[in-house]
Amino acid sequence: AQKVTQAQTEISVVEKEDVTLDCVYETRDTTYYLFWYKQPPSGELVFLIRRNSFDEQNEISGRYSWNFQKSTSSFNFTITASQVVDSAVYFCALSGLNNAGNMLTFGGGTRLMVKP
Amino acid sequence: DVKVTQSSRYLVKRTGEKVFLECVQDMDHENMFWYRQDPGLGLRLIYFSYDVKMKEKGDIPEGYSVSREKKERFSLILESASTNQTSMYLCASSLAGYNTDTQYFGPGTRLTVL
Repeated sequence: AQKVTQAQTEISVVEKEDVTLDCVYETRDTTYYLFWYKQPPSGELVFLIRRNSFDEQNEISGRYSWNFQKSTSSFNFTITASQVVDSAVYFCALSGLNNAGNMLTFGGGTRLMVKP
Repeated sequence: DVKVTQSSRYLVKRTGEKVFLECVQDMDHENMFWYRQDPGLGLRLIYFSYDVKMKEKGDIPEGYSVSREKKERFSLILESASTNQTSMYLCASSLAGYNTDTQYFGPGTRLTVL
């Protein structure tokens, strides 16, 4: 069975601070995909990144960066110089290649509050 | 851009009522999904469909059914709503295929059952 753990339920930072959201996963699949989604107060989940298990290169997109470490089964997400608009709930998710219908397993989410 | 829409943002129903939640996507995606979201539990899959008239149970199908008569539309049905079905319901769609493709989500329906 697959499992995704986001140990931080809530994080509060002051604007311009850097913040890292942790994600640890469990899977028996050798090929799998990892995702991060952002859910702002409006409710809609916004796709941020998709990474397959063979690509361990870190990725940077503007103020966002992702650190994938297969050895520790982690896929952490860092926001540099946080802004108030980054306030949201962030979900990490996992899908195995053999899952029928490409089902996703989600973590419990981390609520990030960025204060001005 | 992928567009997934849900029929209502907020719904209030009474215990025992039959409830329909509608989801429409405009990107010709084969796969469609229904999740419920509860605090601390993340998103849990209720049902998904990989083709018209096809459906598969997810992790928590009890008390729900689904219907997919057209490719773009996927309905979630609560046959007899109960208070423990008060939740946020999210619909998603994705392309089919060998690789796990990205799921795109609608804005969600917050359902309250009194």
